[in-house]
Formats: sequence, C-alpha cells, structure tokens
Amino acid sequence: QSALTQPPSASGSPGQSVTISCSGTSSDVGNYNYVSWYQQHPGKAPKLIIYEVSRRPSGVPDRFSGSKSGNTASLTVSGLQAEDESDYYCNSYAGSNLWVFGGGTKLTVL
Amino acid sequence: EVQLVESGGGLVRPGGSLRLSCAASGFTFSSSWIHWVRQAPGKGLIWVAHINSDGSGTGYADSVKGRFTISRDNAMNTVFLQMNSLRAEDTALYYCARDRAFAFDFWGQGTMVTVSS
Repeated sequence: QSALTQPPSASGSPGQSVTISCSGTSSDVGNYNYVSWYQQHPGKAPKLIIYEVSRRPSGVPDRFSGSKSGNTASLTVSGLQAEDESDYYCNSYAGSNLWVFGGGTKLTVL
Repeated sequence: EVQLVESGGGLVRPGGSLRLSCAASGFTFSSSWIHWVRQAPGKGLIWVAHINSDGSGTGYADSVKGRFTISRDNAMNTVFLQMNSLRAEDTALYYCARDRAFAFDFWGQGTMVTVSS
C-alpha cells in the first residue's frame, strides 16, 4: 500500500486554471475508476469534490473537474478564486477492501 | 441532515488501547459502508479501515493490520474502532466517513488520539 504521488504545491492567479496530478499504479488508479478528490481547509474536515474520476457531488462548482489517463489522475480547477486556496488530496480504491490517499497538494492562489 | 460524530479519543501510553466510536444519523446507516481516516498533526490524510454495511467485510491499512479492529452495531447506528498496541506514530485526528461509490462523501469532525508516555 504505497501512497499515491501528488506534487506538494501548486499555484495560479485568480481566473487561471491549475491542474494537480495524482500518480498511482496499475493496482489502484490504473485499475479502477474509483478515484476521488478532497478539498481541506485548515482546521476543517475534508470535503468530497470529485468521485468516480470525474463526477461532481451536488453543490460543487463546475470549475472543478477530474480526469484519468492510465495510472495518473488529474484535478483541474478553472477560473481560480481566492477561496480555492486549500489542500487537495486524491484517493483511489486499490482492491480487496483497501483504499489509498495521495500525500496532498497545497494550492496557493497568487 | 447527515451527521457523523466521533468520540473516544484521548491521551494513552504506548502499548495501550482505546476504542473510538462514530455515531451516525440522518441517513440509512444499515445500508452504508463506513471508513476511518486519520491525519497526524500537520500531515496528510491516511486511510485506516473500512467496514461494509452488515459488518461481514472489512479492510485495514498495513500500518494498523493486526492491531486495530473495526466493527459496527446497526441497532445503535454506530461504528467502532478498537485500537490496541498503540504507538507514537498512531497519534492523529481520527475521522469517520461515509462511503459513496468508493469515495468518502460525509465526514465527522474527528476525535484526537495522542500516544505518549
């Protein structure tokens, strides 16, 4: 059970788009369409923003989008806003009742 | 309104035990899978354990397998995490979360576990 690999940091200016990658293996990201993404503000519980690779829960702005190619998933935040500054985590199902998170990416809005 | 409320955290010595509880309301608990996820201070999220709706299926992270046991009481709408042989590296905020399509759609506010002598 190795953690998924995310860049520690990402940044963009208001209105721009930023993409955060999440690299796994053929045993997790590459084998299941069960990749999810979470936003966590300081001192708060994580919030689900993407599930099943690209689906958005009700209430999540369509500025957030997800995709996957091979063993790598990606989260794109378009039209960056100040409130998007947060930590973002990816997660994947890894089979046999096991799940794995990425190490997290701190997104800074410049 | 969906609610998950964790309790049972505290300060425990290395080698000790704690039992965490996750009380659920606002949804059909007996049909829901539940997870525990932990976060050490200043660190990232770590998936810990999972239990299916009737308790017949569970999964554990390698780091806790053999030491932690997840269980549930559907009559009480509660999931438990029995933690034995605790180590300093188990110090973290422990969240319970509801499963939706293999993702975690609702989270509690967490209960803090500190393992220290």
